[in-house]
Amino acid sequence: NAGVTQTPKFRVLKTGQSMTLLCAQDMNHEYMYWYRQDPGMGLRLIHYSVGEGTTAKGEVPDGYNVSRLKKQNFLLGLESAAPSQTSVYFCASSYSNFAGWKFFGPGTRLTVL
Amino acid sequence: AQKITQTQPGMFVQEKEAVTLDCTYDTSDQSYGLFWYKQPSSGEMIFLIYQGSYDEQNATEGRYSLNFQKARKSANLVISASQLGDSAMYFCAMSDPPGYSSASKIIFGSGTRLSIRP
Repeated sequence: NAGVTQTPKFRVLKTGQSMTLLCAQDMNHEYMYWYRQDPGMGLRLIHYSVGEGTTAKGEVPDGYNVSRLKKQNFLLGLESAAPSQTSVYFCASSYSNFAGWKFFGPGTRLTVL
Repeated sequence: AQKITQTQPGMFVQEKEAVTLDCTYDTSDQSYGLFWYKQPSSGEMIFLIYQGSYDEQNATEGRYSLNFQKARKSANLVISASQLGDSAMYFCAMSDPPGYSSASKIIFGSGTRLSIRP
């Protein structure tokens, strides 16, 4: 049981490049989320999914796209990276209630030059 | 709208002393969850403790306890007998109940950096 995993752990991009971050969970959770964390701040919600084939916008969705083609995977895409997207990205998954917030991935550190 | 406030950007505590990290929240929901997470320098988010809004007893997990005062809308974390390994960033967070087609979402405070002195 690996919990929540994220790929890659680190990445450096140039402005305008694209990339996809992969989040995978093996707990059969319905809900999955992408957050970003900027220096000195808590996490802010980018996008989330309530089940396979569904996605919804969070607090800071601009510049990102997501897809949930399989229940266990949640992908975060940057089509044209900008320096403002330099951040640490966390994926999380939970049960379909407000008590299940225990499972975060290890994070992906992204730098956009 | 929901809001989490952590007013202590940083704290220094002597090893073996107890420490209280403050957290206040604002919500119009009757059902919600309150959480504390630890983020060490390695960067991962580690779940520490959970309190449901209808739980009458304060939550405890080993050396961690959550001092839940619903009328004051506060959810302070108490760490007993602090250890050097407790030095980290601590985040208070709150979740809302899921809607018909929306997920339960969690919002975070800005964090408190705790440093334990030997």
